[in-house]
Amino acid sequence: RKEVEQDPGPFNVPEGATVAFNCTYSNSASQSFFWYRQDCRKEPKLLMSVYSSGNEDGRFTAQLNRASQYISLLIRDSKLSDSATYLCVVNPYSGGGADGLTFGKGTHLIIQP
Amino acid sequence: NAGVTQTPKFRVLKTGQSMTLLCAQDMNHEYMYWYRQDPGMGLRLIHYSVGEGTTAKGEVPDGYNVSRLKKQNFLLGLESAAPSQTSVYFCASSHLGSYEQYFGPGTRLTVT
Repeated sequence: RKEVEQDPGPFNVPEGATVAFNCTYSNSASQSFFWYRQDCRKEPKLLMSVYSSGNEDGRFTAQLNRASQYISLLIRDSKLSDSATYLCVVNPYSGGGADGLTFGKGTHLIIQP
Repeated sequence: NAGVTQTPKFRVLKTGQSMTLLCAQDMNHEYMYWYRQDPGMGLRLIHYSVGEGTTAKGEVPDGYNVSRLKKQNFLLGLESAAPSQTSVYFCASSHLGSYEQYFGPGTRLTVT
């Protein structure tokens, strides 16, 4: 089983719609979870961390389900600028372990006008 | 404040040639990383460094060497390039104990 799995998509979503996608992880001891965003031919950038209680940042909501070992990202009122690849990232360590981040292959999101 | 910069942005090599990719960061980060990203494979860690003068192997270190002689620089070397090393190479850095990694713009390398 792969460590971090994501549906590669693409998810084609009309502008203004709500879209959600999940990521599953295999290491039940994983401690930290993140969503990174990567625009086409650009570098990844941290979008948000995922906390046990869930967290919200504007139109973006991230949730963690430890029992089922998945994290989710919800985007409300989607904008054309949300078109990107969203990388699920998991860290099995409680500290900022230098070699700990495991990146998923990404989910490609296309917002259509 | 430039963040993380990478040199060069693009490069084409012939099989067997060598080259060095340079990564520089001006954020005084302790940790630095080299990743490669291939279609359908996601980001994979090649080597990383937790401080000046120290390096360690990541998930896919074979065929690569690294050096961190100065805190702000992290060099990735390919001694004898192979077509399998055609990829996009990203450098990243982070503070000690932080999960957030800051990435450079990437180097697109083609080995023919």
